[in-house]
Amino acid sequence: GIQVEQSPPDLILQEGANSTLRCNFSDSVNNLQWFHQNPWGQLINLFYIPSGTKQNGRLSATTVATERYSLLYISSSQTTDSGVYFCAVMDTGRRALTFGSGTRLQVQP
Amino acid sequence: DAGVTQSPTHLIKTRGQQVTLRCSPKSGHDTVSWYQQALGQGPQFIFQYYEEEERQRGNFPDRFSGHQFPNYSSELNVNALLLGDSALYLCASSRSRTEAFFGQGTRLTVV
Repeated sequence: GIQVEQSPPDLILQEGANSTLRCNFSDSVNNLQWFHQNPWGQLINLFYIPSGTKQNGRLSATTVATERYSLLYISSSQTTDSGVYFCAVMDTGRRALTFGSGTRLQVQP
Repeated sequence: DAGVTQSPTHLIKTRGQQVTLRCSPKSGHDTVSWYQQALGQGPQFIFQYYEEEERQRGNFPDRFSGHQFPNYSSELNVNALLLGDSALYLCASSRSRTEAFFGQGTRLTVV
């Protein structure tokens, strides 16, 4: 099945810093989503981005489907950005999401 | 719109017992998928229901079964519970292959 790799696995930032999270995938996809998992386990939808670029406030994402990667940018980070960020993809032969192992972000005041 | 709702939020069961988890999808969604998330890992796909039938299944044993009702809500059943079944169980709803939305999860502890 499709492989999804996220990097870095862990990231510690000072409040106000910017960061880039990366997601590489091994096959063609027709769906790619970024999620933020809060401390209570809820997966919060950030972006539905099978291709192209989207922005939502301090967050933006870019997916280059032909090169099989996606990037999540967080600018001016806040302590509330802390948590685990997951990339999940749906390859063309399946109907389920395959998740990466996540990037654990800690933003310190 | 209440979004995806799951019940219960927490559950403690004994090895060998059976458990049923429930999920109500987001309004307008017809597809429900279940995922298991072990501590420190990403969610793993269990199975997906559409039109009251299991449409796709991940690498989980037959002890894991499910059901979808005419109102699109769904249940996940796990028989003969093992300690290794302790995890966060997440339900997601969508319309076909479009954006999936997740519930808050059910945290199952098997003792």
